[in-house]
Amino acid sequence: GAVVSQHPSRVICKSGTSVKIECRSLDFQATTMFWYRQFPKKSLMLMATSNEGSKATYEQGVEKDKFLINHASLTLSTLTVTSAHPEDSSFYICSASKPSGRPPYNEQFFGPGTRLTVL
Amino acid sequence: AQKITQTQPGMFVQEKEAVTLDCTYDTSENNYYLFWYKQPPSRQMILVIRQEAYKQQNATENRFSVNFQKAAKSFSLKISDSQLGDTAMYFCAFAYRDMRFGAGTRLTVKP
Repeated sequence: GAVVSQHPSRVICKSGTSVKIECRSLDFQATTMFWYRQFPKKSLMLMATSNEGSKATYEQGVEKDKFLINHASLTLSTLTVTSAHPEDSSFYICSASKPSGRPPYNEQFFGPGTRLTVL
Repeated sequence: AQKITQTQPGMFVQEKEAVTLDCTYDTSENNYYLFWYKQPPSRQMILVIRQEAYKQQNATENRFSVNFQKAAKSFSLKISDSQLGDTAMYFCAFAYRDMRFGAGTRLTVKP
């Protein structure tokens, strides 16, 4: 199989603090990991794409200094929300990909998501 | 970036009936992939069905089938014999280098 985990599943923090969310591919090495954000009753919006050992590529409108992404290994990517504010409260979903199908497509597997609440 | 459009915010279907969810997309790429994902209240993304753009044959997975019209850039999902457990948000997705999602359709199956 291809299992992706996220930790924590839920986190509540105070405004101004930083929060780190981990995304792990448990049984495969992920060539690329993706971070999405989902507001209530809305769709998933791609925030950034990260490759192991290189800087993440952020989507237009996503603040790279606010959402720090570290992709330290082929099985772990972290998203740190710095100086969190209530408007950062959202559901954050990661996905990890491995080669499958015709390039440049790589099959993606989604984590269960992390619900962030900033008070 | 590719644009994916789902024009049905909400749909209702009677249990055991069939329902079709619509999706259109815009791209200049050729070898891409299209997906339908189901997101239940747990919010875990569940892959329903996948279509490779280079394949003309429409994908099917048990009660789920797609109508893929490449020239028209449309990709609809048909759910046959709807079950109560099919109630969820359904997202159409386009993948080339990364994956982008439509706005979603909330499907409710009525007993």
